[in-house]
Amino acid sequence: NAGVTQTPKFQVLKTGQSMTLQCAQDMNHEYMSWYRQDPGMGLRLIHYSVGAGITDQGEVPNGYNVSRSTTEDFPLRLLSAAPSQTSVYFCASSQPGLGDTQYFGPGTRLTVL
Amino acid sequence: GENVEQHPSTLSVQEGDSAVIKCTYSDSASNYFPWYKQELGKGPQLIIDIRSNVGEKKDQRIAVTLNKTAKHFSLHITETQPEDSAVYFCAASESGGSYIPTFGRGTSLIVHP
Repeated sequence: NAGVTQTPKFQVLKTGQSMTLQCAQDMNHEYMSWYRQDPGMGLRLIHYSVGAGITDQGEVPNGYNVSRSTTEDFPLRLLSAAPSQTSVYFCASSQPGLGDTQYFGPGTRLTVL
Repeated sequence: GENVEQHPSTLSVQEGDSAVIKCTYSDSASNYFPWYKQELGKGPQLIIDIRSNVGEKKDQRIAVTLNKTAKHFSLHITETQPEDSAVYFCAASESGGSYIPTFGRGTSLIVHP
């Protein structure tokens, strides 16, 4: 199993550009989440999904969109990038009833100029 | 919603010393408390967890304690080694409920050789 994969590893955007951060998992987990990590702020939840076709907002959802058309994939879209979105983004998956452990991807480091 | 406080934000110890990281939570419905270790440039990984029906759990040099009455839990690392240097996150969630964990802000542990 590859676990949770994320692409790209690094990305530089200009203000106003759009892009999609990709996340995929091959563990057949129902739950998937997106977090951003900023210095001193820990891991803050952006959006999450409890199954295909179901998404919900987390703590810091503004400026981000998600969709979940399949169990495996959970892309995060930045519609109009802002410097405040400069961060490291982590995707995670988990399976309720099987220990509740979050399995994290390796992260995407995004810089918005 | 749940609020998790984590202290200290930075912890510096000498190799061989013990390290203790403490977290408090606010929601009495939380019953699952994992600890994650994040090495430089990687995503967080689960190292140990504890559920509310247990007061203490050990795994070699790592132990976690839980005080449900006081709503706090702690990570103890004994005989620290340089490879223990990392950022550690505590989290709290309601297993059987939303499953979405709330994370503390992290502790940067530095073990000096």
